[in-house]
Amino acid sequence: NAGVMQNPRHLVRRRGQEARLRCSPMKGHSHVYWYRQLPEEGLKFMVYLQKENIIDESGMPKERFSAEFPKEGPSILRIQQVVRGDSAAYFCASSPGRGGKETQYFGPGTRLLVL
Amino acid sequence: GESVGLHLPTLSVQEGDNSIINCAYSNSASDYFIWYKQESGKGPQFIIDIRSNMDKRQGQRVTVLLNKTVKHLSLQIAATQPGDSAVYFCAETTVTYGNNRLAFGKGNQVVVIP
Repeated sequence: NAGVMQNPRHLVRRRGQEARLRCSPMKGHSHVYWYRQLPEEGLKFMVYLQKENIIDESGMPKERFSAEFPKEGPSILRIQQVVRGDSAAYFCASSPGRGGKETQYFGPGTRLLVL
Repeated sequence: GESVGLHLPTLSVQEGDNSIINCAYSNSASDYFIWYKQESGKGPQFIIDIRSNMDKRQGQRVTVLLNKTVKHLSLQIAATQPGDSAVYFCAETTVTYGNNRLAFGKGNQVVVIP
């Protein structure tokens, strides 16, 4: 049973470009979460999605950032017009979505570097 | 604001000894706690979890203790091995209210000395 998959693992962008980060949840999981980790810090929640719905985006910057989890295909975290401060590791997690206690399982992350 | 934090930034432990990592949390509404291990260049790996209706839970070589009175969480690793070297994060959330958002502490580096 494959775990959470993320791609690309490393992404380099110049300021002003767009970054697209993909996340495929574990098989059978319908909930996806995105977190950002700055160097030597803990993970910070960004957004929580179910299929075709954004449940909680309270941790996501209002501008330039968007997320989706379509009916088919992976979840996408999109960052438009990237700035150097966007450089970080972005982790996706998934959970079954059956309610109650939901352990989140994390992917390997995408390390974004903005030049 | 509400936060989850760790007391010690780095713990050096001799191989074979026991390790104890501590975590303080401030959100009294939190009812579900998880410990994650993160090795360099990898994503967080689930270790063990505990609900607020318990004060102790054991896994393989690991034990989590929860003291709700003082809002304190600890992770004990028995017979620490070189492969246990990593950063350990505690995380908390409030399942009861359907909020699955995890709040992480800053992390505690464990270095195992062979």
